[in-house]
Amino acid sequence: EAGVTQFPSHSVIEKGQTVTLRCDPISGHDNLYWYRRVMGKEIKFLLHFVKESKQDESGMPNNRFLAERTGGTYSTLKVQPAELEDSGVYFCASSLNLGNTQYFGPGTRLTVL
Amino acid sequence: TQLLEQSPQFLSIQEGENLTVYCNSSSVFSSLQWYRQEPGEGPVLLVTVVTGGEVKKLKRLTFQFGDARKDSSLHITAAQTGDTGLYLCAGFRPGNQFYFGTGTSLTVIP
Repeated sequence: EAGVTQFPSHSVIEKGQTVTLRCDPISGHDNLYWYRRVMGKEIKFLLHFVKESKQDESGMPNNRFLAERTGGTYSTLKVQPAELEDSGVYFCASSLNLGNTQYFGPGTRLTVL
Repeated sequence: TQLLEQSPQFLSIQEGENLTVYCNSSSVFSSLQWYRQEPGEGPVLLVTVVTGGEVKKLKRLTFQFGDARKDSSLHITAAQTGDTGLYLCAGFRPGNQFYFGTGTSLTVIP
């Protein structure tokens, strides 16, 4: 069974540009989560999808971040326009049901110059 | 403010030694998880503890949840080089969010 995959693995962009991160959860997992780890800080929750619906987006930093999960399968996280403080590693995780084990992807390392 | 404090932040020990990593908070969690993360990969779940005072063992790893469900510890007996990695604790609170600690980076020297 394939695990959670994320694309790209690395992204280097300039301040003001747009970047879109993609997460493919484990097939059949209704719950999908986005997290972010900024350098030197802890991993922080961004948002949680149940199928295509946003269950909790309280961790989203500001309106420059937009997450979608059309069709309830893969998800995208778009940052527009990117700022320097957006640099970090963005993790996606999925779980079968709420409260079940979350399986993490390898992360996307975003660097904003 | 950091909800979950992990200590130590860095730990370097010789193979065969024992070690304990701590995860502390002033908040109560309904459950607490420990993960290990290796470079270039996402965190991998090791264990979930739910009941205050609960002790779980995973081979040479022993996990304990504090009686008040505010803290936890991870003890490794006879560390091996394969134990090297970043150990993360994460507390689950009502509202269905996980709060991660900053992690303990463990290096086991042969």
